[in-house]
Amino acid sequence: SQKIEQNSEALNIQEGKTATLTCNYTNYSPAYLQWYRQDPGRGPVFLLLIRENEKEKRKERLKVTFDTTLKQSLFHITASQPADSATYLCALDTNAGKSTFGDGTTLTVKP
Amino acid sequence: DGGITQSPKYLFRKEGQNVTLSCEQNLNHDAMYWYRQDPGQGLRLIYYSQIVNDFQKGDIAEGYSVSREKKESFPLTVTSAQKNPTAFYLCASSYSGSFYEQYFGPGTRLTVT
Repeated sequence: SQKIEQNSEALNIQEGKTATLTCNYTNYSPAYLQWYRQDPGRGPVFLLLIRENEKEKRKERLKVTFDTTLKQSLFHITASQPADSATYLCALDTNAGKSTFGDGTTLTVKP
Repeated sequence: DGGITQSPKYLFRKEGQNVTLSCEQNLNHDAMYWYRQDPGQGLRLIYYSQIVNDFQKGDIAEGYSVSREKKESFPLTVTSAQKNPTAFYLCASSYSGSFYEQYFGPGTRLTVT
C-alpha cells in the first residue's frame, strides 16, 4: 500500500543546532515534493517545493534534499531558533495537482 | 489583500444536523481543496476541484458534499451521514496542474455533540 512516513516522534533540539526532518515514502513516484509549516490551530504555510530531477534546494536557513532512489526527502533548518518550533509536513504529488500529506513532525527548539 | 478565508473559526452542532463550512479565495486560483485534520495527524483530502462546476472525491469523501458554482467559492457540507464529523477542516487553493504550492485558509474547528 502507499505510505508516507515522517519522523515518528517529536524532535527536540537546542537553539543554534541544525534540525533534520525525514520524509520517507513507499509505492509512490512523485514528480515533486513539498514541505509546509503548521503552527497550532492554524493552516499550513508553504515552505519549499523540490522536483524529482532536483537533488537539493535552499531558501535562507532551509535546505531540502530529494532522493528518488531511496524514496526519501530530508528537510534541514540550520542555526535553529525557538521561533522555528512548529509541526512540519511533507506532501507528495500523487496525481497532477493532488497531494498526499504525511502526519508531520513536531519540532521544538529550546533556548 | 489577497488570501483565502474560512468561516466561522469555531462551529458547534448537534448530531444529526447538516452543516456548511465556507471557503472563499481572491487569489484567482482555479483549484480548491478541502482537507480534514484530526489531532496528531496529517491532512486527509475530502474533495477537490480543478475548475468551476467540476469536483472530484478525495480519499475520505463519504458523508461530505461540495459545490463549485463560482471560481472564488468552494463550500463544504458535512452531512449527518458523516460518522465522526468533529475535526479541524482546512480549505486550500492553488493554480491548476502540477508544481504549484497550496495556500491554506485559517481552518474551521467543527465540534458535533
